[in-house]
Amino acid sequence: EAEVAQSPRYKITEKSQAVAFWCDPISGHATLYWYRQILGQGPELLVQFQDESVVDDSQLPKDRFSAERLKGVDSTLKIQPAELGDSAMYLCASSPGRAFTGELFFGEGSRLTVL
Amino acid sequence: QQQVKQSPQSLIVQKGGISIINCAYENTAFDYFPWYQQFPGKGPALLIAIRPDVSEKKEGRFTISFNKSAKQFSLHIMDSQPGDSATYFCAASKSNNDMRFGAGTRLTVKP
Repeated sequence: EAEVAQSPRYKITEKSQAVAFWCDPISGHATLYWYRQILGQGPELLVQFQDESVVDDSQLPKDRFSAERLKGVDSTLKIQPAELGDSAMYLCASSPGRAFTGELFFGEGSRLTVL
Repeated sequence: QQQVKQSPQSLIVQKGGISIINCAYENTAFDYFPWYQQFPGKGPALLIAIRPDVSEKKEGRFTISFNKSAKQFSLHIMDSQPGDSATYFCAASKSNNDMRFGAGTRLTVKP
């Protein structure tokens, strides 16, 4: 069964350091999302790509967060510098097609702890 | 950013009982209402979803009830099983994606 792959699964870093997360969506899925899930809360959208273009990054803290999907396939989310409040699970999701079909397919997430 | 309010925060149900989780939304532009199930250490997975042109959708033991005028929808889990113990998220989105999630309900089904 096709899955969304994410790495690393766990990352511990000190504040002010740089961190990066990688996501490989299900093959053929045109739309890719990065969500942040703080412990005990629901996922919050950070950025949405359609192919290689950003569709929505209105909730992305652009002073420290960046995301790219250069070839319209896999994607990288970077945080620099990391802050204590960035500790969370970073979830990548993908959906098929370019028209919204409803279902998001999530990866297992990358859990970030900032010390 | 939270435009979807979910309750209760946690729920304990006996095996065989009915689990009910409620959500309310504000934005009338939302046109897709899914429920996601998340087990510890895993990403959320779609459980069941409804569009506002119907008032109820049933898939096995899971039913969504939708009240458009009240801007509320709920998940009913019939004959709850210990394997249903997970965190459940309601969500709402507009046709251009922009999916917003509730805060989650941690369900525990006791044997």
